[in-house]
Amino acid sequence: AQSVTQLGSHVSVSEGALVLLRCNYSSSVPPYLFWYVQYPNQGLQLLLKYTTGATLVKGINGFEAEFKKSETSFHLTKPSAHMSDAAEYFCAVSPLSGGSYIPTFGRGTSLIVHP
Amino acid sequence: DARVTQTPRHKVTEMGQEVTMRCQPILGHNTVFWYRQTMMQGLELLAYFRNRAPLDDSGMPKDRFSAEMPDATLATLKIQPSEPRDSAVYFCASGTPGTRGEAFFGQGTRLTVV
Repeated sequence: AQSVTQLGSHVSVSEGALVLLRCNYSSSVPPYLFWYVQYPNQGLQLLLKYTTGATLVKGINGFEAEFKKSETSFHLTKPSAHMSDAAEYFCAVSPLSGGSYIPTFGRGTSLIVHP
Repeated sequence: DARVTQTPRHKVTEMGQEVTMRCQPILGHNTVFWYRQTMMQGLELLAYFRNRAPLDDSGMPKDRFSAEMPDATLATLKIQPSEPRDSAVYFCASGTPGTRGEAFFGQGTRLTVV
Protein backbone atom coordinates (compact mmCIF):
# COMPACT_ATOMS: atom_id res chain seq x y z
CA ALA A 1 0.00 0.00 0.00
CA GLN A 2 1.16 3.52 -0.66
CA SER A 3 0.50 6.73 1.21
CA VAL A 4 1.41 10.38 1.00
CA THR A 5 2.07 12.79 3.85
CA GLN A 6 2.14 16.52 3.30
CA LEU A 7 3.59 18.32 6.29
CA GLY A 8 1.64 21.43 7.14
CA SER A 9 -1.92 22.03 6.03
CA HIS A 10 -1.06 25.73 5.63
CA VAL A 11 2.16 27.44 4.62
CA SER A 12 2.45 31.21 4.74
CA VAL A 13 5.18 33.16 2.92
CA SER A 14 5.84 36.72 1.91
CA GLU A 15 5.87 37.70 -1.73
CA GLY A 16 9.38 37.15 -3.07
CA ALA A 17 10.29 34.59 -0.41
CA LEU A 18 11.22 30.96 -0.95
CA VAL A 19 8.37 28.49 -1.16
CA LEU A 20 8.92 25.01 0.30
CA LEU A 21 6.07 22.50 0.43
CA ARG A 22 6.93 19.12 1.89
CA CYS A 23 5.83 15.72 0.68
CA ASN A 24 6.87 12.30 1.94
CA TYR A 25 5.60 9.02 0.58
CA SER A 26 5.40 5.49 1.79
CA SER A 27 5.66 2.81 -0.83
CA SER A 28 7.26 -0.60 -1.16
CA VAL A 29 9.04 0.60 -4.29
CA PRO A 30 9.76 4.15 -5.47
CA PRO A 31 6.59 5.27 -7.24
CA TYR A 32 5.79 7.83 -9.84
CA LEU A 33 5.40 11.22 -8.13
CA PHE A 34 3.30 14.26 -8.94
CA TRP A 35 2.49 17.73 -7.71
CA TYR A 36 -0.84 19.31 -8.59
CA VAL A 37 -2.18 22.80 -7.97
CA GLN A 38 -5.81 23.70 -7.35
CA TYR A 39 -7.07 27.26 -7.63
CA PRO A 40 -10.42 28.21 -6.05
CA ASN A 41 -13.41 26.59 -7.73
CA GLN A 42 -11.17 24.74 -10.17
CA GLY A 43 -10.03 21.19 -10.71
CA LEU A 44 -6.49 20.02 -10.06
CA GLN A 45 -3.89 20.67 -12.70
CA LEU A 46 -0.46 19.13 -13.01
CA LEU A 47 2.51 21.21 -11.90
CA LEU A 48 5.22 18.62 -12.47
CA LYS A 49 5.94 14.91 -12.31
CA TYR A 50 8.75 12.46 -11.74
CA THR A 51 8.72 9.14 -13.55
CA THR A 52 12.32 8.23 -14.36
CA GLY A 53 15.63 9.92 -15.04
CA ALA A 54 16.79 13.20 -13.52
CA THR A 55 15.67 13.52 -9.93
CA LEU A 56 15.29 17.30 -10.10
CA VAL A 57 12.14 18.03 -12.02
CA LYS A 58 11.09 21.42 -13.31
CA GLY A 59 7.46 22.32 -13.77
CA ILE A 60 5.24 25.18 -14.74
CA ASN A 61 5.20 28.61 -13.07
CA GLY A 62 8.79 28.32 -11.86
CA PHE A 63 8.22 25.37 -9.52
CA GLU A 64 10.56 22.44 -9.18
CA ALA A 65 10.79 19.33 -7.04
CA GLU A 66 13.51 16.88 -6.18
CA PHE A 67 13.00 13.16 -5.73
CA LYS A 68 15.14 11.85 -2.88
CA LYS A 69 14.83 8.11 -2.64
CA SER A 70 16.81 7.83 0.60
CA GLU A 71 14.46 10.27 2.29
CA THR A 72 11.30 9.09 0.48
CA SER A 73 10.60 12.73 -0.24
CA PHE A 74 9.46 14.87 -3.14
CA HIS A 75 9.44 18.43 -1.81
CA LEU A 76 8.17 21.28 -3.99
CA THR A 77 10.09 24.57 -4.15
CA LYS A 78 9.98 27.91 -5.85
CA PRO A 79 12.73 30.52 -5.31
CA SER A 80 10.43 33.54 -5.20
CA ALA A 81 6.74 33.46 -4.36
CA HIS A 82 4.24 35.48 -6.33
CA MET A 83 0.77 36.49 -5.21
CA SER A 84 -0.68 34.35 -7.99
CA ASP A 85 0.88 31.24 -6.40
CA ALA A 86 -1.70 31.31 -3.61
CA ALA A 87 -3.58 28.03 -4.03
CA GLU A 88 -3.93 24.49 -2.71
CA TYR A 89 -1.11 22.10 -3.60
CA PHE A 90 -1.40 18.34 -3.66
CA CYS A 91 1.32 15.72 -3.77
CA ALA A 92 0.37 12.37 -5.33
CA VAL A 93 1.98 9.00 -5.93
CA SER A 94 1.21 6.23 -8.37
CA PRO A 95 2.62 2.71 -8.15
CA LEU A 96 5.54 1.86 -10.40
CA SER A 97 4.22 -1.59 -11.16
CA GLY A 98 1.02 -3.57 -11.13
CA GLY A 99 -0.63 -1.78 -13.99
CA SER A 100 -3.30 -0.01 -12.01
CA TYR A 101 -1.70 3.45 -11.85
CA ILE A 102 -4.26 4.68 -9.34
CA PRO A 103 -2.90 7.93 -7.89
CA THR A 104 -3.04 8.44 -4.14
CA PHE A 105 -3.22 12.05 -3.01
CA GLY A 106 -1.98 13.81 0.09
CA ARG A 107 -4.31 16.00 2.16
CA GLY A 108 -3.07 19.13 0.46
CA THR A 109 -1.20 22.26 1.61
CA SER A 110 -2.73 25.68 1.30
CA LEU A 111 -0.12 28.23 0.25
CA ILE A 112 -0.78 31.75 1.49
CA VAL A 113 1.25 34.57 0.00
CA HIS A 114 1.43 37.89 1.84
CA PRO A 115 2.22 41.15 0.07
CA ASP B 1 -7.64 21.94 -26.16
CA ALA B 2 -8.40 18.50 -24.71
CA ARG B 3 -10.08 18.59 -21.34
CA VAL B 4 -12.36 16.62 -19.07
CA THR B 5 -15.87 18.06 -19.01
CA GLN B 6 -18.16 17.68 -16.02
CA THR B 7 -21.81 18.62 -15.75
CA PRO B 8 -23.44 20.21 -13.90
CA ARG B 9 -20.89 22.50 -12.26
CA HIS B 10 -23.24 23.17 -9.35
CA LYS B 11 -26.19 21.24 -8.00
CA VAL B 12 -28.44 22.00 -5.06
CA THR B 13 -30.96 19.33 -4.20
CA GLU B 14 -33.17 18.26 -1.36
CA MET B 15 -32.40 15.30 0.81
CA GLY B 16 -33.82 12.11 -0.65
CA GLN B 17 -33.61 13.23 -4.26
CA GLU B 18 -31.61 11.45 -6.94
CA VAL B 19 -28.50 13.19 -8.23
CA THR B 20 -26.67 12.33 -11.43
CA MET B 21 -23.29 13.78 -12.31
CA ARG B 22 -21.77 13.36 -15.74
CA CYS B 23 -18.25 13.32 -17.07
CA GLN B 24 -16.81 13.31 -20.56
CA PRO B 25 -13.21 12.08 -20.39
CA ILE B 26 -10.52 13.25 -22.76
CA LEU B 27 -10.84 11.50 -26.11
CA GLY B 28 -8.54 8.50 -26.19
CA HIS B 29 -8.24 8.16 -22.41
CA ASN B 30 -9.39 4.73 -21.30
CA THR B 31 -9.10 5.28 -17.54
CA VAL B 32 -11.63 7.27 -15.51
CA PHE B 33 -11.50 8.16 -11.83
CA TRP B 34 -14.19 9.64 -9.59
CA TYR B 35 -12.98 11.56 -6.54
CA ARG B 36 -14.85 13.35 -3.77
CA GLN B 37 -13.30 16.35 -2.07
CA THR B 38 -14.31 17.59 1.37
CA MET B 39 -12.58 19.69 3.96
CA MET B 40 -12.61 16.84 6.45
CA GLN B 41 -11.46 13.97 4.24
CA GLY B 42 -9.56 15.67 1.44
CA LEU B 43 -9.59 13.82 -1.89
CA GLU B 44 -11.16 10.37 -1.68
CA LEU B 45 -11.18 7.90 -4.56
CA LEU B 46 -14.71 6.67 -5.12
CA ALA B 47 -14.39 4.60 -8.29
CA TYR B 48 -11.97 3.69 -11.03
CA PHE B 49 -12.74 2.45 -14.54
CA ARG B 50 -10.48 1.00 -17.18
CA ASN B 51 -11.89 0.44 -20.67
CA ARG B 52 -15.37 1.16 -19.25
CA ALA B 53 -15.12 -1.68 -16.72
CA PRO B 54 -15.20 -0.83 -13.00
CA LEU B 55 -11.94 -2.03 -11.46
CA ASP B 56 -12.25 -0.51 -8.03
CA ASP B 57 -15.27 1.05 -6.38
CA SER B 58 -14.38 0.15 -2.82
CA GLY B 59 -14.41 3.81 -1.80
CA MET B 60 -18.03 4.24 -2.74
CA PRO B 61 -20.98 3.74 -0.36
CA LYS B 62 -22.69 0.89 -2.21
CA ASP B 63 -26.13 1.39 -0.79
CA ARG B 64 -26.65 4.80 -2.38
CA PHE B 65 -23.89 5.45 -4.89
CA SER B 66 -23.46 3.92 -8.32
CA ALA B 67 -21.00 4.63 -11.12
CA GLU B 68 -21.22 3.55 -14.74
CA MET B 69 -19.69 4.14 -18.15
CA PRO B 70 -22.44 3.67 -20.74
CA ASP B 71 -19.87 4.36 -23.44
CA ALA B 72 -16.28 5.52 -23.79
CA THR B 73 -17.29 9.18 -23.89
CA LEU B 74 -19.54 9.26 -20.83
CA ALA B 75 -19.11 8.37 -17.17
CA THR B 76 -21.87 8.88 -14.63
CA LEU B 77 -21.99 8.99 -10.85
CA LYS B 78 -25.40 8.64 -9.30
CA ILE B 79 -26.55 9.14 -5.71
CA GLN B 80 -29.96 7.83 -4.71
CA PRO B 81 -31.20 8.88 -2.23
CA SER B 82 -28.98 11.86 -1.50
CA GLU B 83 -28.16 12.93 2.06
CA PRO B 84 -26.71 16.15 3.50
CA ARG B 85 -23.42 14.35 4.25
CA ASP B 86 -22.99 13.83 0.50
CA SER B 87 -22.40 17.57 0.08
CA ALA B 88 -18.96 17.88 -1.47
CA VAL B 89 -17.15 18.60 -4.72
CA TYR B 90 -17.06 15.58 -7.01
CA PHE B 91 -14.24 15.37 -9.52
CA CYS B 92 -13.87 13.21 -12.55
CA ALA B 93 -10.40 12.62 -13.95
CA SER B 94 -9.11 10.62 -16.88
CA GLY B 95 -5.84 9.15 -18.02
CA THR B 96 -4.17 6.25 -19.78
CA PRO B 97 -1.63 3.67 -18.65
CA GLY B 98 0.87 5.66 -20.66
CA THR B 99 0.45 8.65 -18.38
CA ARG B 100 1.63 6.53 -15.43
CA GLY B 101 -0.99 7.74 -12.99
CA GLU B 102 -1.13 11.35 -14.14
CA ALA B 103 -4.77 12.31 -13.84
CA PHE B 104 -6.41 15.00 -15.93
CA PHE B 105 -9.14 16.60 -13.86
CA GLY B 106 -12.43 18.18 -14.74
CA GLN B 107 -13.60 21.31 -12.95
CA GLY B 108 -15.82 19.39 -10.62
CA THR B 109 -19.47 19.32 -9.59
CA ARG B 110 -20.23 21.13 -6.36
CA LEU B 111 -23.12 19.27 -4.74
CA THR B 112 -25.16 20.72 -1.91
CA VAL B 113 -27.84 18.53 -0.32
CA VAL B 114 -30.23 20.44 1.92
